[in-house]
Amino acid sequence: EAGVAQSPRYKIIEKRQSVAFWCNPISGHATLYWYQQILGQGPKLLIQFQNNGVVDDSQLPKDRFSAERLKGVDSTLKIQPAKLEDSAVYLCASSFWTGMNTEAFFGQGTRLTVV
Amino acid sequence: AQRVTQPEKLLSVFKGAPVELKCNYSYSGSPELFWYVQYSRQRLQLLLRHISRESIKGFTADLNKGETSFHLKKPFAQEEDSAMYYCALHASGSRLTFGEGTQLTVNP
Repeated sequence: EAGVAQSPRYKIIEKRQSVAFWCNPISGHATLYWYQQILGQGPKLLIQFQNNGVVDDSQLPKDRFSAERLKGVDSTLKIQPAKLEDSAVYLCASSFWTGMNTEAFFGQGTRLTVV
Repeated sequence: AQRVTQPEKLLSVFKGAPVELKCNYSYSGSPELFWYVQYSRQRLQLLLRHISRESIKGFTADLNKGETSFHLKKPFAQEEDSAMYYCALHASGSRLTFGEGTQLTVNP
């Protein structure tokens, strides 16, 4: 089966610019996650969707980050305006559901560099 | 709040030696624990989960609720085991929380 697809793979922008990332989860997966992984750290959850509803966005910096999952399939994550500290790998993952024993499948990630 | 701690950022062993990657967690409910692995230039993927009580690639992990630990063990490390390992905790219906990760290097 096809895995989680993310684009672009790499992005370099100047601070205060905007950027958007796209994620296509595995077909049939209801749950979609966006993680931020800063160099040397573990993945940190930004937002979790169940179908097209938000389950958890408590760690999303809402003054500059936004995410949507229209129609409960693809998702986009936007940063506007970007700061230097946003430089990180942004990982998208999906899982069949949020119940017991759920495996999350990860995309390759988008490496963002803010200069 | 749930939290996962991996005390070692780096771990280096020789081929054939035993290896143990430590993971401690804090969570008030009944946790689901996982180990994820990321090999060089590959995506993050599931290695094993506590509920399955399985051995994958020779690795095992036992959930110790008394010590709130879920250490990953392998009796004889192989060079291909070199990778980044993340312990993760999932609270049902809630977020999947990762530790900071341990970079394992197995030397020939």
